[in-house]
Amino acid sequence: GAGVSQSPSNKVTEKGKDVELRCDPISGHTALYWYRQRLGQGLEFLIYFQGNSAPDKSGLPSDRFSAERTGESVSTLTIQRTQQEDSAVYLCASSPTRVWETQYFGPGTRLLVL
Amino acid sequence: AQSVTQLGSHVSVSEGALVLLRCNYSSSVPPYLFWYVQYPNQGLQLLLKYTTGATLVKGINGFEAEFKKSETSFHLTKPSAHMSDAAEYFCAVRRSQGGSEKLVFGKGTKLTVNP
Repeated sequence: GAGVSQSPSNKVTEKGKDVELRCDPISGHTALYWYRQRLGQGLEFLIYFQGNSAPDKSGLPSDRFSAERTGESVSTLTIQRTQQEDSAVYLCASSPTRVWETQYFGPGTRLLVL
Repeated sequence: AQSVTQLGSHVSVSEGALVLLRCNYSSSVPPYLFWYVQYPNQGLQLLLKYTTGATLVKGINGFEAEFKKSETSFHLTKPSAHMSDAAEYFCAVRRSQGGSEKLVFGKGTKLTVNP
């Protein structure tokens, strides 16, 4: 079956612009996660959805970052007024229900802020 | 709070040699531990995980890891490296805090396999 998909695969933007990153989880997966991976760094947790509610937003680095999810489907991560330090690969993952189950990762969106 | 430390950001082995990637964790509760692999230009995929039960866990592609509570370790091994094992490997631990759960990842170890 289809895996987790993310779009766009690459995004180049100018400092100060807003960007929207999209994640399509595996059908039926209720849990969805966003991570950020900076060059040479591990994965940094951003936010976790259970259904369309976000019990944990603690990883969002600033109020410029927000995310929403429609039902148990698509999620969008929005970064407003992008800064150069936002340049990273943004990864999305989904799992059937809970955190300790296998997380299935998408290929990521590579964001470059000039 | 739960965390993991991966010793060595880069490991290089010869084809056919033993692969050993080190991961130490800290956790105040029984840990759930994971190893994920990221091949070049691909997303992460689960290699193996430990939740409860047998402490020696076997994963895909011939990898295994042993949970050692006394050493707070969960090192990843493979008896004989293959060129296709070249990738970045991430250790992770489940963190439970204030009714929320998430995975906390280490910084990763990049494995190079030399012919």
